[in-house]
Amino acid sequence: AQTVTQSQPEMSVQEAETVTLSCTYDTSESDYYLFWYKQPPSRQMILVIRQEAYKQQNATENRFSVNFQKAAKSFSLKISDSQLGDAAMYFCAYRSGRKNYGNKLVFGAGTILRVKS
Amino acid sequence: DSGVTQTPKHLITATGQRVTLRCSPRSGDLSVYWYQQSLDQGLQFLIHYYNGEERAKGNILERFSAQQFPDLHSELNLSSLELGDSALYFCASSLDLGVGLHEQFFGPGTRLTVL
Repeated sequence: AQTVTQSQPEMSVQEAETVTLSCTYDTSESDYYLFWYKQPPSRQMILVIRQEAYKQQNATENRFSVNFQKAAKSFSLKISDSQLGDAAMYFCAYRSGRKNYGNKLVFGAGTILRVKS
Repeated sequence: DSGVTQTPKHLITATGQRVTLRCSPRSGDLSVYWYQQSLDQGLQFLIHYYNGEERAKGNILERFSAQQFPDLHSELNLSSLELGDSALYFCASSLDLGVGLHEQFFGPGTRLTVL
């Protein structure tokens, strides 16, 4: 079974600074997808960024980028120019790429990000 | 707004009772997923339905059941409720043709409190 580990229960960053959230995963599959979700105090789950395992190029979405290291099974999220609205719980998630396997998401425990003004 | 709706937003009930949570997926999405978010277990996958058929089961208790109706809305039934069932229950939907990258869109969740 696949597992996702987020080793940082909580992180803090100064507004306008850069922060990196860590995520490692364990899988024997070669085809899979990785995601970062944001959960603000409203509890809504919001997709931040996604990465296909077969793509070597790291995904970027505006101020959000990932460092995907497939051999190391690492998928960290970098937030640049942090804003107060970035304060939230961030979840790393894994999804198998196996056809007809079902597309359930396997989540890490989450990292609380606090942004200081 | 993700386009996924869940009702009710909040539910307070007593131990031993039965409740039904409802989810309407985004227009055109064929898959519905249920997840449970609790303090001790984190975010866990419960069950997946695709076009009315069960596709995958996670750590779903026998006291819990779900179904997806012809109009694609889904219901999660929780019975013989225990204090530990108190959690935030999310529904997510996706187009889910079985291959490729299909984003799951999450609803706002139903907060269940068992007293």
